[in-house]
Amino acid sequence: EVQVVESGGALVQPGGSLRLSCAASGFTSSDVYIDWVRQAPGKGLEWIGSTRNKVESYITEYAASVKGRFTISRDESKNSVYLQMNSLKAEDTAVYYCTVGRGHCPTSGCQNYFDPWGQGTLVTVSS
Amino acid sequence: EIVLTQSPGTLSLSPGQRATLSCRASQSITNNHLAWYQQKPGQAPRLLIYHASNRAAGIPDRFSGSGSGTDFSLTISGLEPEDFAVYYCQQYGKTFGQGTKLEIK
Repeated sequence: EVQVVESGGALVQPGGSLRLSCAASGFTSSDVYIDWVRQAPGKGLEWIGSTRNKVESYITEYAASVKGRFTISRDESKNSVYLQMNSLKAEDTAVYYCTVGRGHCPTSGCQNYFDPWGQGTLVTVSS
Repeated sequence: EIVLTQSPGTLSLSPGQRATLSCRASQSITNNHLAWYQQKPGQAPRLLIYHASNRAAGIPDRFSGSGSGTDFSLTISGLEPEDFAVYYCQQYGKTFGQGTKLEIK
């Protein structure tokens, strides 16, 4: 079964850092696009970043709201993807989902829908 | 950047009824690159429809998607109790609609 599972969510103070993990099972994560989507309490879905597959050199892309603060990386040996979050703000409080991007990435930008999704991990930024 | 507007914000219906949810794009979406997701409280989103009208694996045939260009719809024929949830449309890539809450009347 193709599955992704997030972990690492926690309570962190403003200005702090946190690393989320996304472990893949049932497939080789380096073969696929992985995206991160977050959902603030009671709000809708916000795409925050993606990493392309190995063939496309793991190119990353970020939403303006997190660019320069968040970094996506991979560890092939662990079949996992990571979201490093620095300089956290209260508005980063959300459930963070990793998901597999299905589609392709032309020069104009990735055109993916998302399936499957992990169960999510909660990040709370508060003093 | 394309903006997706979903309507209505909340839809109140009874089990057995037919639900029609709308997703309107601010610009034409090419190649029918539109997906629909269902999200129940405390759960992750689940893919229902991709390419505007293709059901994802394991999705019951009471769910159907239609539309092209700027106007898309998700129809649920014969609502089951488990269908009451929030539904999001997505233009492939980064843009989601704000969601429609389908609640029991």
